[in-house]
Amino acid sequence: DQQVKQNSPSLSVQEGRISILNCDYTNSMFDYFLWYKKYPAEGPTFLISISSIKDKNEDGRFTVFLNKSAKHLSLHIVPSQPGDSAVYFCAASDSSGAGSYQLTFGKGTKLSVIP
Amino acid sequence: SAVISQKPSRDICQRGTSLTIQCQVDSQVTMMFWYRQQPGQSLTLIATANQGSEATYESGFVIDKFPISRPNLTFSTLTVSNMSPEDSSIYLCSVRRSGGYEQYFGPGTRLTVT
Repeated sequence: DQQVKQNSPSLSVQEGRISILNCDYTNSMFDYFLWYKKYPAEGPTFLISISSIKDKNEDGRFTVFLNKSAKHLSLHIVPSQPGDSAVYFCAASDSSGAGSYQLTFGKGTKLSVIP
Repeated sequence: SAVISQKPSRDICQRGTSLTIQCQVDSQVTMMFWYRQQPGQSLTLIATANQGSEATYESGFVIDKFPISRPNLTFSTLTVSNMSPEDSSIYLCSVRRSGGYEQYFGPGTRLTVT
């Protein structure tokens, strides 16, 4: 049972336009969400996160939106740059219980920004 | 964040052999984790490496197959034992600092079993 789903395996966007990456989750106990970026032959790099008490968090060109009622979050990148081309992973955490440190990851979306 | 290194970066191994992967962090951390990423799949947590005690394994992973050591707060090893082609994956270590949910990952070890 996949608790974190990224239904788009890939996305292509023109340089300068907005990239929107989507993520859905099924576990209502998740209360902290993170986005990671991964280049080939490198480990995932933490990008941005959001707590369930917020519906938006912004850091430079990156904004994450959370819709708890829909169990949906999205990452917006504006403007998109060729260096943003990577695989983006959505991850979620449940802060309650013994495994509160665990992250559950989606399968990733490969973003290609076309110059 | 943290600077994390892994050795080896990649290896090709024969079926039935074992490989030990090392993870070194540039500062002391309480929590270290080992993940596996099979081709086209998400990152799956294998175990939490506990300093001074046995690792805590997730469902589907056992100590005999993936023994883990954590001799101090900056170092851990994961051994993939009696390998089969199904073990071909990227293996990643990560760390988490107290007070945050973010985990920071090493560069990964790409393992191919023939």
